[in-house]
Amino acid sequence: SAVISQKPSRDICQRGTSLTIQCQVDSQVTMMFWYRQQPGQSLTLIATANQGSEATYESGFVIDKFPISRPNLTFSTLTVSNMSPEDSSIYLCSATSGQTYEQYFGPGTRLTVT
Amino acid sequence: AQSVAQPEDQVKVAEGNPLTVKCTYSVSGNPYLFWYVQYPNRGLQFLLKYITGDNLVKGSYGFEAEFNKSQTSFHLKKPSALVSDSALYFCAVRDGYTNAGKSTFGDGTTLTVKP
Repeated sequence: SAVISQKPSRDICQRGTSLTIQCQVDSQVTMMFWYRQQPGQSLTLIATANQGSEATYESGFVIDKFPISRPNLTFSTLTVSNMSPEDSSIYLCSATSGQTYEQYFGPGTRLTVT
Repeated sequence: AQSVAQPEDQVKVAEGNPLTVKCTYSVSGNPYLFWYVQYPNRGLQFLLKYITGDNLVKGSYGFEAEFNKSQTSFHLKKPSALVSDSALYFCAVRDGYTNAGKSTFGDGTTLTVKP
């Protein structure tokens, strides 16, 4: 299994600013993902973080709003840019290995935009 | 394309009784199926998976699930529920042929176990 940590665990940000969330995995993984979740609701996939290349975004999400980096096999960042109150959510980092198939999740970053 | 349906938003059972959380799926290729659990204010945890082999798979905390290809279902079960099993449960599917690695998650089912 993989252990995933995220920083920060929570933040309160002002409208119009940006926040970068860091995700660190304790072992090399094949794929990394970023999700958004409203408390008690389902997960919405934002993008797949690709090592050394541009992330693959899901419909409704764009790079200008959610730039993602993945410089190596164990680390990724998600930036939420030009934030509005609608961006208030829990952001989850996830990773999977080709050997095990299941996904592992970080504890999440609870973002509140005022 | 792949999709998952969890037809029940909520399931309530008494402690000690058996529980079932339902999941049906649709996938064009070979289904890889998963159950995850999310306790309040916690991240998602992997419970169990079906990749191939025996249709009945066992996972963490005494949970099991049965893969039924003809009914395209993967229901989560436990013979005797505990109050501590109360949580939000997600079923997920991915296509094993495409190797894209991307799972589709259901909307989740809130399980409440009453003492």
